[in-house]
Amino acid sequence: EAQVTQNPRYLITVTGKKLTVTCSQNMNHEYMSWYRQDPGLGLRQIYYSMNVEVTDKGDVPEGYKVSRKEKRNFPLILESPSPNQTSLYFCASSLSTFVNTEAFFGQGTRLTVV
Amino acid sequence: GIQVEQSPPDLILQEGANSTLRCNFSDSVNNLQWFHQNPWGQLINLFYIPSGTKQNGRLSATTVATERYSLLYISSSQTTDSGVYFCAASNAGGTSYGKLTFGQGTILTVHP
Repeated sequence: EAQVTQNPRYLITVTGKKLTVTCSQNMNHEYMSWYRQDPGLGLRQIYYSMNVEVTDKGDVPEGYKVSRKEKRNFPLILESPSPNQTSLYFCASSLSTFVNTEAFFGQGTRLTVV
Repeated sequence: GIQVEQSPPDLILQEGANSTLRCNFSDSVNNLQWFHQNPWGQLINLFYIPSGTKQNGRLSATTVATERYSLLYISSSQTTDSGVYFCAASNAGGTSYGKLTFGQGTILTVHP
């Protein structure tokens, strides 16, 4: 089954404790991205990657890191989480950014930083 | 970047009623998608429809790209249709590089 898989689905952590949210897609998509969803602010892009080893900042990159060492994986790293990073996070992938642009989203990761 | 506006912000229906949700966007698009966010927070793909008309069961969507709007039709609504409906768009121009811009959503509540 074609899908985007995020882990974990739920996470409660403490301020300053490094964490990684994993994202994997099995559709051989080139483009992957991370979004966060917050009440009143909607969904906003954090980082994106157009292909292996090619990543760039989205609209709200502060406090996050990403890497794209393999085409299928795009982990989101919070080196020192803070309470303002409490949010619902989504990973997404699409075949490309110019044609076949349909985006597929993971199940979401609900992160709470205390 | 592209702006996306949805209307209405809230919609309350009785089961069995029909509804139309609207999405206006400010620029030409190469991606226009409709999503349903369920009570567990998952974003469910409904339609990928940068232009034209598609139907899937009780749901259908139409995008008129030249006039920069899209419509989502829900017929014979059911309580399981409740949730938030998002429209999202992207264009290939500028520096957006595939970023989806989401509207603020329409909160649909269907009463039995």
